[in-house]
Amino acid sequence: QVQLQESGPGLVKPSQTLSLTCSVSGGSVSSGSSYWSWIRQPAGKGLEWIGRIHTSGSTDYNPSLRGRVIISVDTSKNQFSLRLSSVTAADTAVYYCATDGSGTPERYWGQGTLVTVSS
Amino acid sequence: DIQMTQSPSTLSASVGDRVTITCRASQRISIWLAWYQQKPGTAPKLLIYQASILESGVPSRFSGSGSGTEFTLTISSLQPDDFATYYCQQYNSPYTFGQGTKLEIK
Repeated sequence: QVQLQESGPGLVKPSQTLSLTCSVSGGSVSSGSSYWSWIRQPAGKGLEWIGRIHTSGSTDYNPSLRGRVIISVDTSKNQFSLRLSSVTAADTAVYYCATDGSGTPERYWGQGTLVTVSS
Repeated sequence: DIQMTQSPSTLSASVGDRVTITCRASQRISIWLAWYQQKPGTAPKLLIYQASILESGVPSRFSGSGSGTEFTLTISSLQPDDFATYYCQQYNSPYTFGQGTKLEIK
């Protein structure tokens, strides 16, 4: 059973870069054929897919965020990370990390972490 | 991008009711459609993938159907634990979610 845990600052200033890490247990970010994803949810609103990275290192991003988002992997720590630059209040949300299962989209999710963009 | 439109946005029903939620894709996605259940303060839970395959451990009162652009999630007999918000998701990258359907107690 894969378990995921998000970590990072809960408060980021406008125009700065949001950085979050997802720690993985029960699975490996560097083996097999899995996608490691980030999804966010503003308070009281729906889910927005941010992007994903494959174990091969290839990435896909939400076009609405492309240019501001980078997802990367740290195989030595069995973690993957999200960097979102030039943040505004509109980026305030609960951020989830997730990964797929065999033939499924996001089967395993972290508990989510709230990031607030405010000065 | 592929847009996903769910209806209704809110659904009021009673325990024991049969309910159906619809999800429409702006272009054909074959069967690459998933359904999630989310309760307040928790992460979404995968219910159905490939439009109709029930995730392990999910009660059989949940079912999904459809292909192409039109999909449905049906709960055959609502239980108290089913009152939650439901999202569809198409998973042809870039993935997109529907806006959600809140299932409320009537």
